[in-house]
Amino acid sequence: QKEVEQNSGPLSVPEGAIASLNCTYSDRGSQSFFWYRQYSGKSPELIMSIYSNGDKEDGRFTAQLNKASQYVSLLIRDSQPSDSATYLCAVKRLVYGGATNKLIFGTGTLLAVQP
Amino acid sequence: GAVVSQHPSRVICKSGTSVKIECRSLDFQATTMFWYRQFPKQSLMLMATSNEGSKATYEQGVEKDKFLINHASLTLSTLTVTSAHPEDSSFYICSARALGGQGARGGNEKLFFGSGTQLSVL
Repeated sequence: QKEVEQNSGPLSVPEGAIASLNCTYSDRGSQSFFWYRQYSGKSPELIMSIYSNGDKEDGRFTAQLNKASQYVSLLIRDSQPSDSATYLCAVKRLVYGGATNKLIFGTGTLLAVQP
Repeated sequence: GAVVSQHPSRVICKSGTSVKIECRSLDFQATTMFWYRQFPKQSLMLMATSNEGSKATYEQGVEKDKFLINHASLTLSTLTVTSAHPEDSSFYICSARALGGQGARGGNEKLFFGSGTQLSVL
């Protein structure tokens, strides 16, 4: 089982619709959760971070976390063609006795917003 | 916001040569930097964690003698791919961790990514 799992897609939604991206993780010790957007050939850029159970909203983006189900999702409202990219779910967990930590990425979901 | 500069952005080299990639935090001090590799249509795979002034910690399966990491200062980490082979062709990305108050919004720890280096080994 992969530590962070995402459906690779592509997820195709019409412009203006809500895009729902999902992610599950295996390590219950995971502390923090992130969504990154990556355009082809570019480095990832942080979209949202979430640390507590529930919803966190930032503009058109809403992150949802359910630690009991080990599930984190990202909703994009009013999707735009410019949102078309690969969305990477990342989970941070403590390692080395807490001396440091690292981000583990999922394989990403390719989102295609159709104009 | 915090800026991480990665250089070069693209490099083409012959098999057997060594390639050095630099990662600099421009406006904050980064005690920890991470090096990732990404193959086409795959996710970022962590290669190693680099701590300033100490040896890097490599992930399982990553050859430390092939991928040399140096983190000599709080603003610079380098990755050297030694004796590169075509299978080393990949997109290499560094990230730097900013501690609270240093380019990190809200006082929380943040990771900032470099722009990546596309390595092509002929």
